[in-house]
Amino acid sequence: DIQMTQSPSSLSASVGDRVTITCRASQTISSYLNWYQQKPGKAPKLLIYVASSLQSGVPSRFSGSGSGTDFTLTISSLQPEDFATYYCQQSYSTPWTFGQGTKVEIK
Amino acid sequence: QVQLVESGGDLVKPGGSLRLSCAASGFTFSDYYTSWIRQAPGKGLEWVSYINSRRNTVKYADSVKGRFTISRDNAKNSVHLQMNSLRAEDTAVYFCARTNSDWYYFDYWGQGTLVTVSS
Repeated sequence: DIQMTQSPSSLSASVGDRVTITCRASQTISSYLNWYQQKPGKAPKLLIYVASSLQSGVPSRFSGSGSGTDFTLTISSLQPEDFATYYCQQSYSTPWTFGQGTKVEIK
Repeated sequence: QVQLVESGGDLVKPGGSLRLSCAASGFTFSDYYTSWIRQAPGKGLEWVSYINSRRNTVKYADSVKGRFTISRDNAKNSVHLQMNSLRAEDTAVYFCARTNSDWYYFDYWGQGTLVTVSS
């Protein structure tokens, strides 16, 4: 199985900050990497697919990059509604696996 | 608009069975794969199973293989997850998700249904 490791597990940031979350795969996954945002009590929401494609309706402050084993989700200017938990997910091979999540909290 | 609505979650005893359903609307259901993903209380996300659009390919996580069965009815725009021999560790919110058939990302999710396995 492909292991996905996110870092950090949590972070505190202020509104307006630039935030970067990294995700590393245990083996190469090409660009089969997706990012989701989840707020408490809600279903996850797709932000980025195929490593760098922005899902329709998602603000442009979100961006993704990387290929192979190392990937990054960047929020260019953190907004109040962005405080949530973020998950990466590999869709290269089953079992499709998620990272453990990164909780973004208010500083 | 795309909508996925799960149902069937309940409290069940260990060893029991449960059937979850996911009703889809707002898109051409037969063009997409469908997946089930679960989240144990306070934990992360775990992919459980998927079924392709033609129903000829299904995959399962090792943790549920042999106990869970996924199926779909394209005429009724629905997907089901039959869960047998339930264990305490199957306790979770179960989400169904529309799955892109080329890159396998989950672009729309239902609100989830809670399955609790406890005596």
